[in-house]
Amino acid sequence: DSGVTQTPKHLITATGQRVTLRCSPRSGDLSVYWYQQSLDQGLQFLIQYYNGEERAKGNILERFSAQQFPDLHSELNLSSLELGDSALYFCASSAGTGLYEQYFGPGTRLTVT
Amino acid sequence: QQQVKQSPQSLIVQKGGISIINCAYENTAFDYFPWYQQFPGKGPALLIAIRPDVSEKKEGRFTISFNKSAKQFSLHIMDSQPGDSATYFCAAERDSDYNTDKLIFGTGTRLQVFP
Repeated sequence: DSGVTQTPKHLITATGQRVTLRCSPRSGDLSVYWYQQSLDQGLQFLIQYYNGEERAKGNILERFSAQQFPDLHSELNLSSLELGDSALYFCASSAGTGLYEQYFGPGTRLTVT
Repeated sequence: QQQVKQSPQSLIVQKGGISIINCAYENTAFDYFPWYQQFPGKGPALLIAIRPDVSEKKEGRFTISFNKSAKQFSLHIMDSQPGDSATYFCAAERDSDYNTDKLIFGTGTRLQVFP
């Protein structure tokens, strides 16, 4: 158990809808990262927050947004969902920014029908 | 553009054998090279990592070999066990406060170790 929790575990929704994925980092970790894992794209970094502020941005679509709250939990919002957004979404946390070990959560499996 | 190339895609090894997974990178600014292990239904977990100032790092049965001039690094699993059966990802990262080079992953290698 990495200490990172993600909810929900599974999510099934229709095209065009909006969903919110939630992540609680390990106790004491200030950085939260979001990744998307799909069969065709592999594991891709989406975005990082550090202590409430956006720190780094990867291949995140404009339809996706994230935020980190004062209690350090994070939410990833996915809107105008398309079939191709079906994937596993992982949250990871680390103690700081820079080259710290990242601890991954169990993931949220999103299915868009 | 794939910045980290990983091979093979799948690997079958007999128990007690050596498993070798290779990765090559393009961006010479990368300065951290971790390997992650992922079991079905779980998130990736850090296995072992290396910085480019050393050519080899060993932790138990797992060894990373690093060739800076060739821009290649590999994972060796000695005495492979059925419990090692998982998907392995190499990755690379650049130490920078704000950049898009956060943990670029390879495409993964599915390892199966048979008794």
